[in-house]
Order: sequence, then structure tokens, then C-alpha cells
Amino acid sequence: SQTIHQWPATLVQPVGSPLSLECTVEGTSNPNLYWYRQAAGRGLQLLFYSVGIGQISSEVPQNLSASRPQDRQFILSSKKLLLSDSGFYLCAWRGGATNEKLFFGSGTQLSVL
Amino acid sequence: LAKTTQPISMDSYEGQEVNITCSHNNIATNDYITWYQQFPSQGPRFIIQGYKTKVTNEVASLFIPADRKSSTLSLPRVSLSDTAVYYCLVGVLTGGFKTIFGAGTRLFVKA
Repeated sequence: SQTIHQWPATLVQPVGSPLSLECTVEGTSNPNLYWYRQAAGRGLQLLFYSVGIGQISSEVPQNLSASRPQDRQFILSSKKLLLSDSGFYLCAWRGGATNEKLFFGSGTQLSVL
Repeated sequence: LAKTTQPISMDSYEGQEVNITCSHNNIATNDYITWYQQFPSQGPRFIIQGYKTKVTNEVASLFIPADRKSSTLSLPRVSLSDTAVYYCLVGVLTGGFKTIFGAGTRLFVKA
């Protein structure tokens, strides 16, 4: 069966520090991968999506970047965090036999202080 | 992707049936309708999906009229644990398409 791993679960970072959040998917190949962000009490904002290795589409101009160095690995990064980067970050995938559904990771609660 | 409109929030009591309607006036011929549920501090999870008429699973029913410009998620006999945000999405079931969530409907079930 397919599983998605996202870490860390919580993260507290000072303003101006770098960020790296990692997401990996197991049990499937060539998934479509997504990064979302959710501010407290708000809806999900699509940040990036990827249809293959090295292929990244950015939805919102921001202080973040994404990379897909391997088929089942998706990384969200920042060189210098801003206060406004705080939020709940979710990785998701779709693909294979169940390509109509999105499956989400457990999320990372990021607080930038 | 077709834009969706849902009520911002709804209240209900345990044991009642809850119907959440989503409007998607510019739905395209190839678009499917998918509903997700999200609990606090968790990622959304798939509830149900349909193209037309009615779909039912162990969790919910989805009613889609002939013109497909709206859909209604029906939750039978809700419990406190059904308190969550429910999202309606409309899009094509092809690989690689970006999936954009609307604001969703915040359902609050009272005892």
C-alpha cells in the first residue's frame, strides 16, 4: 500500500533562518506531488506541484522554493524565513490507480518567530 | 478549474442529516466532483466523488443534478466527530493537474 511521510511534525524557526521540509511517498511510482500551506483558520493554499523529477510549478510568488530530486521525494525550502511563512504545511500526492484522489501527509506546523 | 462556492459554516445536532451544497456553475464536461474532509491539524481526506446522479459510500452520499452546476454532500446522522471542514473540488481526473481548494464549509455538530 502507498504511504506518505512528512517531517518534522512541528518546527519553530527564527526569522531569517533557512527552511527545509521533506516529503516522501512509498508504494507508488511517478506520483504527482503537491505542497500546500494553511494559515490558522483558513483554507489550503496551493504552493507548488510537480508532475515529475525536476519539474516544479509554482502557484504563488513567495519566499519559498520546491525541488524534486527523486521520483518520490519532494522538498520545500526557504533561504530566509519571514514571519508570514508561519503556517501548517501539507504535502500530498496523487497517481497510479487512484489518481483521482489526493492523499495528504500529516503536516508540519511551522512557527516563525 | 471550475470555481466552487460553498457556505462558510453550518451548525447541526447529533443524529441529524446534514446537507452541504456546492455551486460550480462553470463545470466542464470532463470535470468530476470530489469532496474532502479536514479535521484540525490534519490533512484533508477523501470522502466521496461523482460525475452525475447519485453516489453513495459508507460515509456519505453525493447528489448531482442533471445540469451538474451544483452538488450536495449528504452526511446521515452526524455525530460530534463529524465536526470538520468540508471541501468541494471540481476538476479533471488527469495526472498533473493542479488541485486548488476553496475555503470549504466548517460544520459544527452540537450535542
